[in-house]
Amino acid sequence: AQRVTQPEKLLSVFKGAPVELKCNYSYSGSPELFWYVQYSRQRLQLLLRHISRESIKGFTADLNKGETSFHLKKPFAQEEDSAMYYCALRAGGTSYGKLTFGQGTILTVHP
Amino acid sequence: EAQVTQNPRYLITVTGKKLTVTCSQNMNHEYMSWYRQDPGLGLRQIYYSMNVEVTDKGDVPEGYKVSRKEKRNFPLILESPSPNQTSLYFCASSFFAGDRDEQFFGPGTRLTVL
Repeated sequence: AQRVTQPEKLLSVFKGAPVELKCNYSYSGSPELFWYVQYSRQRLQLLLRHISRESIKGFTADLNKGETSFHLKKPFAQEEDSAMYYCALRAGGTSYGKLTFGQGTILTVHP
Repeated sequence: EAQVTQNPRYLITVTGKKLTVTCSQNMNHEYMSWYRQDPGLGLRQIYYSMNVEVTDKGDVPEGYKVSRKEKRNFPLILESPSPNQTSLYFCASSFFAGDRDEQFFGPGTRLTVL
């Protein structure tokens, strides 16, 4: 069974400070991992995926298979980063369409 | 405009009264999925569909049914709703795989079962 854990329900930082949102996963195969974000009054949307190895809005995330983690990082947080963040894992093989989300972390960036 | 729509957006009903929440997308996506969002539990997948007439269970399928008779529509059916199905429901769609597999989410349907 696949599982995603986001240990922090709430995370508060000040503007300009570094931020790290933690995501740990449990999956026996080779995972595909994503970060989704939901800004206030907006729909849930993709932030980044580990396959792309891209940086979006200054955020990066590295898949660490040894530690089974996919933490989201940003060196200098901005107030507009305040949102709910979800880490998600997609299964492979015959369960390719199955997507498991973590519990979510609400990030608040104070001025 | 490319989008995922859900109806109704809000629904209050009583235990046992069958209901359907519709989901429609206009992006010709193969993949569609339903989730429920509950405080402290995050998003949990109910059912997903890889294409027309192909559906499969997610993590919390009990008490729900789905069908995929057309590519654009993926209704969620609650045959006999119970209070524990009170939740915020999201539909999503995407292309099947590759770098076009970003999921587009609907606006959500807030369901209350009394």
